Amino acid sequence: DAGITQSPRHKVTETGTPVTLRCHQTENHRYMYWYRQDPGHGLRLIHYSYGVKDTDKGEVSDGYSVSRSKTEDFLLTLESATSSQTSVYFCAISDYRGRDEQYFGPGTRLTVT
Amino acid sequence: KNEVEQSPQNLTAQEGEFITINCSYSVGISALHWLQQHPGGGIVSLFMLSSGKKKHGRLIATINIQEKHSSLHITASHPRDSAVYICAVPLTGSGGGADGLTFGKGTHLIIQP
Repeated sequence: DAGITQSPRHKVTETGTPVTLRCHQTENHRYMYWYRQDPGHGLRLIHYSYGVKDTDKGEVSDGYSVSRSKTEDFLLTLESATSSQTSVYFCAISDYRGRDEQYFGPGTRLTVT
Repeated sequence: KNEVEQSPQNLTAQEGEFITINCSYSVGISALHWLQQHPGGGIVSLFMLSSGKKKHGRLIATINIQEKHSSLHITASHPRDSAVYICAVPLTGSGGGADGLTFGKGTHLIIQP
């Protein structure tokens, strides 16, 4: 299995509080992604990174920001959490030197009350 | 943006049956991904294919690039195959997936003993 961890694995927070989710990889892969998974919508891309300090928006980026200061870490921040951000968040990595697979982390279940 | 349609949404079958799950997409792609997610579990990449057919054990994936269609087959199905199967393609068509994937809503498969 690819070395990807996410922390925390579960979190309950109140509306309006900031939340940061961490994705850590030991594979030295260039590309990292944050997706959210919701019933009826499936998985959707929030943000992605194509290198240190290089990030871009995905399909559902409103209300989220990201940072990548090291190859191994990709942080997702909810500046002011809302109930609509209750979801399961998955990090993924890929090298894309050719047509490479994406490897997914275990997920973080976030509940905003 | 690529659009992905999967069918069926739900499938219940008896152990030993041959299973077929279908995936169609709207924009030409470089490669298509099949993923598996067990209840409460993480997401595992099963296949990434750009042409023809791939086989891993009892799983077979085929793709027809001209028709923008892929199928996932399970031979001699077993209760442990019960999971959600998800099709994914590059978000921006032939971009190769480096800027993220877009996903079907998944097929919920239950194999009864």
